[in-house]
Amino acid sequence: GAGVSQSPRYKVAKRGQDVALRCDPISGHVSLFWYQQALGQGPEFLTYFQNEAQLDKSGLPSDRFFAERPEGSVSTLKIQRTQQEDSAVYLCASSFSGGPMDTQYFGPGTRLTVL
Amino acid sequence: TQLLEQSPQFLSIQEGENLTVYCNSSSVFSSLQWYRQEPGEGPVLLVTVVTGGEVKKLKRLTFQFGDARKDSSLHITAAQPGDTGLYLCAGDSGGGADGLTFGKGTHLIIQP
Repeated sequence: GAGVSQSPRYKVAKRGQDVALRCDPISGHVSLFWYQQALGQGPEFLTYFQNEAQLDKSGLPSDRFFAERPEGSVSTLKIQRTQQEDSAVYLCASSFSGGPMDTQYFGPGTRLTVL
Repeated sequence: TQLLEQSPQFLSIQEGENLTVYCNSSSVFSSLQWYRQEPGEGPVLLVTVVTGGEVKKLKRLTFQFGDARKDSSLHITAAQPGDTGLYLCAGDSGGGADGLTFGKGTHLIIQP
C-alpha cells in the first residue's frame, strides 16, 4: 500500500514569504507527527495530532509555525514570514494509534530553503 | 529536556569489517528505536527495544538496550556497502503524545 507522501518535495522561498507543506498519511492512521531536521542533525519533534485534534505543539519553534489537520487525514504545516533559520527538511510521520510501541512511518520530507 | 548522544558522529570503514555505534542518555526511556535514513528519504525503522538488557538481532545487525534503559548500541557484522546511511536512535518517553527524541545520528560509509 501507499506510504506517507509529502509535497512539495522541494521548496525555495524568499525570506518573508509564507509557505505551506502538505502531508498525506497512511490511510487509517490516527496519529500524525511533524518533525524538523536541520542539515546534519537528527529530526526534532514539532507537533502531534490524534485525528483532527492537535494534542501537542510544544516543539513548534515560534508562533510563525502553524499546523492543522481539519478532517483527521491530510495535514498542512504552515510557516509565516519565513526566516533563513527555517531552512530544513520537514518530515511527516504517521502511526496507527500513536501509542508508545506504535511504529511511526515517515514520509520523504520537504526540503525548505529560505533565501 | 531529554537528550540522546550518538557516537561516533562519522564512521568510514572497509567492506567486511565489524563496527559498533552507540546511543547514550542520562534519561530513562520506555523504549528506544533505531532508524536508518538514506539521502532524500525519511527514516526507516529497524528495531524497537523495550526491556532493559534486551538484545535483538536482525540479520547482521545486533541491537542492545542497556540494563537501565538509558543507552543502546548497534553492532554490524561484516559490513556491506548497502549498510551505508545515517543511523538514528530515538527514545520514546512513554507518553505517546510527545513524539520521539532523536539523536544526531551516525553517518556510516562502507567502502567496497
